[in-house]
Order: sequence, then C-alpha cells, then structure tokens
Amino acid sequence: KQEVTQIPAALSVPEGENLVLNCSFTDSAIYNLQWFRQDPGKGLTSLLLIQSSQREQTSGRLNASLDKSSGRSTLYIAASQPGDSATYLCAVSFRSGGGADGLTFGKGTHLIIQP
Amino acid sequence: DAGVIQSPRHEVTEMGQEVTLRCKPISGHDYLFWYRQTMMRGLELLIYFNNNVPIDDSGMPEDRFSAKMPNASFSTLKIQPSEPRDSAVYFCASSFGDVGYNSPLHFGNGTRLTVT
Repeated sequence: KQEVTQIPAALSVPEGENLVLNCSFTDSAIYNLQWFRQDPGKGLTSLLLIQSSQREQTSGRLNASLDKSSGRSTLYIAASQPGDSATYLCAVSFRSGGGADGLTFGKGTHLIIQP
Repeated sequence: DAGVIQSPRHEVTEMGQEVTLRCKPISGHDYLFWYRQTMMRGLELLIYFNNNVPIDDSGMPEDRFSAKMPNASFSTLKIQPSEPRDSAVYFCASSFGDVGYNSPLHFGNGTRLTVT
C-alpha cells in the first residue's frame, strides 16, 4: 500500500523564522505532489503542485521541492508570520495501472507561529 | 466562482438513521471526489467520479455507504444505517482534469457528521 508520511506532526516556532516541513512517500512512481493548507473548520486549499518532471515550485514565501528518487518533498516557508498557522498536508498522486487514483494524503503537520 | 459547496455543514444523528451529504462541484469541473477525515486515519479517499461516472469506489468502507452523481452539478453521499464510527468530517472536492495529470484539487468546507 502506498503511504505518505509527514514529520513532525506538530511544530511551533517564533514569528520571523524560516522553516521546513517534510513529506516522504513510499513509491517513486508518481504523477505529482501537492501541498495543501487547512485552517480549523475549513476545507483544504491547494498551495503548490509539483509535477513529477519538476524539482521545485515557488509561490511568494513558499517553496516546495521534490526528490522522487529518495521519495521526499519539503515545503519551505520564509519569514514565517502568525497568519501561516495552520495544518499543512502533503498529497501524492501515485501511478497505478493506466491512470491516477486520486490523491493519497499525509496526516499533516500542525504549525503554530508564535507572535 | 462560488467554490465547492457542501451541505449541511454539521449533522448530528442517532445510530441507525439515514444520513445524506450533498455536494455541488465547481462549474465545469469533470472530476468529483469524496474524502473522509478523522484524527486517527487522516484523509481517506472514499470514491471519485469522472463525468458523473463512478471510477473507483474501493475506499467506500462497506455497503452502508453509497454515492451518486446524477448530473454534473450535484453529488450525494449516503450512509444507511449510520453508526457511531462513521463520525468524521466528510469533504467533497472537484477538479478540472485528472489530479494525476497536474490539475489542482478544490475542496469544500466539509460536513461534520456526529452519530450518537
């Protein structure tokens, strides 16, 4: 069974720090990897999507990298702000037969940015 | 763009009752997904549709769960009879194109189901 793992489960850092969230997956045969943000009581918002042929994607203060050979992705957040506090989830679209089977999600990292 | 709309936002019901969750995907999206989120298991894919046709329902936990998509703008997830272990947040999501082929996934705000 394909799995996506996120470590740590929770992280608390002071405002202004740069930080890295980690995601690992069990099978290197993937279509893409997506990072999502989830605020309490809300659905998930897509932040970045990295295609299997890409190494990284950037959006504002966020940078996501992908290393398929090692089964790892990182989400880098620069100059963190209290508004970045949320749960961040990694999701992988694994190759299976002739098509995709939706996304397999990690359990997320709960991030708290201390003012 | 109103986004993916789910109803109700909260549902509290007694064990044995029928529960129906509703979803309106973003107009023009051809894929629709139902997920369930719990603290223990995280987000689990239950079923997904392409052009209103169910493609993979292997994530549906048992026969008590069923899903339909009668047209491109509406889908339901039904649980009959409901059990306390079904308590979770149920999310509907949609995309234009297959998420496996680099299409971002758009989520609704979910339905929080509590079965007592």
